[in-house]
Amino acid sequence: GAGVSQSPSNKVTEKGKDVELRCDPISGHTALYWYRQSLGQGLEFLIYFQGNSAPDKSGLPSDRFSAERTGGSVSTLTIQRTQQEDSAVYLCASSSKGWGVNYEQYFGPGTRLTVT
Amino acid sequence: SQQGEEDPQALSIQEGENATMNCSYKTSINNLQWYRQNSGRGLVHLILIRSNEREKHSGRLRVTLDTSKKSSSLLITASRAADTASYFCATDAIAAGNKLTFGGGTRVLVKP
Repeated sequence: GAGVSQSPSNKVTEKGKDVELRCDPISGHTALYWYRQSLGQGLEFLIYFQGNSAPDKSGLPSDRFSAERTGGSVSTLTIQRTQQEDSAVYLCASSSKGWGVNYEQYFGPGTRLTVT
Repeated sequence: SQQGEEDPQALSIQEGENATMNCSYKTSINNLQWYRQNSGRGLVHLILIRSNEREKHSGRLRVTLDTSKKSSSLLITASRAADTASYFCATDAIAAGNKLTFGGGTRVLVKP
C-alpha cells in the first residue's frame, strides 16, 4: 500500500513569506506527527494529532507555526513570516497507535525548506 | 540534553566488518526503537525493543537493552555499502509525555 507522502519535496521561499507543507498519512493511521530536522541533527518534535483528540502542540517553536488535520487524514503545517532559522527538513510520520507502549512510526520523505 | 544520545557520532568501517553504536537515555522507558535515515530524508523503522526485553534480532541487526544502565546498542553484522546511513535511537518514555524522543544519530559510512 501507499506510504506517507509529503509535498512539496523542496520549497524555497523568501524571508517573511508564509509556507504550507502537506502530509498524507497512511490510510487508517489515527496518529500523525510533525518533526523538524536541521542539517546533521536529530529530530525535533513539533506537533502530534491522535484521532479526534486535541493536538499536542507542545513542540511548536513559536506562534508562527501552526498545523491542522482535516477529516482525521491530511495534515498541513503552516509557517507564517518565515525566518532563515526555519530552514530545515520537515518530516511527517503516522502510526496506527497513539502515544503509549509498543508502536512504530512510518515516515514520509520530508519537505526541505530553504528560507532565503 | 536529549533523552537519547548516540555514541559515536560518526563511524567509518570496511565492508564486511561489524558496526556497533550505542544509545544512552535518562529516564525510564516503555520501549526503545532504532531507525535508519538515508540521505537526510525519511526515517525507516528498524527494530523496537520493549523495556522488559534484553535482546532482539532482525536479520543482520542485533539490539540489546540494559535498563539498569539506561543504554542500548545496535550491532550491524557483516556490513554492506548499502548500510551507509544515519542511525537514530528513539525512546518512548513516560516522563516525556510518551512522546517518541530521538537522539542526534550516528552517521555510519561503510566503505566498499
